[in-house]
Amino acid sequence: LAKTTQPISMDSYEGQEVNITCSHNNIATNDYITWYQQFPSQGPRFIIQGYKTKVTNEVASLFIPADRKSSTLSLPRVSLSDTAVYYCPLYNQGGKLIFGQGTELSVKP
Amino acid sequence: DAGITQSPRHKVTETGTPVTLRCHQTENHRYMYWYRQDPGHGLRLIHYSYGVKDTDKGEVSDGYSVSRSKTEDFLLTLESATSSQTSVYFCAISESTGGSGYTFGSGTRLTVV
Repeated sequence: LAKTTQPISMDSYEGQEVNITCSHNNIATNDYITWYQQFPSQGPRFIIQGYKTKVTNEVASLFIPADRKSSTLSLPRVSLSDTAVYYCPLYNQGGKLIFGQGTELSVKP
Repeated sequence: DAGITQSPRHKVTETGTPVTLRCHQTENHRYMYWYRQDPGHGLRLIHYSYGVKDTDKGEVSDGYSVSRSKTEDFLLTLESATSSQTSVYFCAISESTGGSGYTFGSGTRLTVV
């Protein structure tokens, strides 16, 4: 199963754009890339999913290069409420999400 | 989240005792999963179920067993709790095997003393 690697923590300020990169060098052809957000004392919540190129929804954008060995979650104009842990789990053909350690994002006023 | 409930929310137990955690869903989703979350490890998959009486092992299944006799309930049992099983346990459900469709419960914080 492909593993993912992310920075352990990141700091930002309100109103800035934040880009969180996830490395998945051994991603399989059939793996999709997903991103989840987790607040303290809550379970993770789905943000966005993609296979290649760019995906955008009302919350974030996901950029995936052609080789798919990494992906970048982009959060536009973050606010204090975006302070959370962000995960980039892959899911394989068996349909199971495999999580890495996650990135703890701290947004400061 | 609405539609998925974990019980108990907190539990303290002694080493060597059996413990059962319950995940209950009202969404009629086919797929259910148990994860544990520990500092420095993120979430790790313990067991999962693709339907009634259809379960399989995940990454860290040693010391755990599961049962699913009804669509709505997925039970996780620690046969003989150890201190290394102190963790936060999350249940998740999904309607399909797509990664975007997971809904997680609020978690059970288990402390083994």
